[in-house]
Amino acid sequence: ETGVTQSPTHLIKTRGQQVTLRCSSQSGHNTVSWYQQALGQGPQFIFQYYREEENGRGNFPPRFSGLQFPNYSSELNVNALELDDSALYLCASSLKKGANEKLFFGSGTQLSVL
Amino acid sequence: AQSVTQPDIHITVSEGASLELRCNYSYGATPYLFWYVQSPGQGLQLLLKYFSGDTLVQGIKGFEAEFKRSQSSFNLRKPSVHWSDAAEYFCAVGEGTNAGKSTFGDGTTLTVKP
Repeated sequence: ETGVTQSPTHLIKTRGQQVTLRCSSQSGHNTVSWYQQALGQGPQFIFQYYREEENGRGNFPPRFSGLQFPNYSSELNVNALELDDSALYLCASSLKKGANEKLFFGSGTQLSVL
Repeated sequence: AQSVTQPDIHITVSEGASLELRCNYSYGATPYLFWYVQSPGQGLQLLLKYFSGDTLVQGIKGFEAEFKRSQSSFNLRKPSVHWSDAAEYFCAVGEGTNAGKSTFGDGTTLTVKP
């Protein structure tokens, strides 16, 4: 049990729709990172939020956006869904403290785009 | 740009046999390296990490990894595999000391034969 929960666990959308995925971090964790894991691949870094501000972004288009809230929860929003967006989306929270930082992953949201 | 290669897509070992999973990385400075394990439908769990110091790192569940700078490798080992070790294993390199901005390999699937 990592203390990081994601909702929903599964989601089916159609191409062109918008989706919001949610993550509840461990209490006190000021950093959350989002990853996309396509089938048969490793997780790919989407972006990171630190104290409610975006703190770096991977190679993902602007239709992927996020928010982090003061209560340690966060959201990943994807607009104009494409078939290739079908993947497992993982969030990971941590308390940013340099080399001792440890990530705690949620179990993910499985998104299917039809 | 940093990258991680896991040369073995799938490995099968007998229960009780030793295990070595290979990982090669590309990173311009001192790497911050991780091994994670993922069971089906689950998030990632940290097995061990290396940032500095002793190049042989001990982790949870009896795993260890050795950092070899000259070979750009960080191979994961276990002397005696248990059936419960069957899972997907991912090697990752962080961006500086930021574990949340990691680049992952595509993973190695471990099957354990009885």
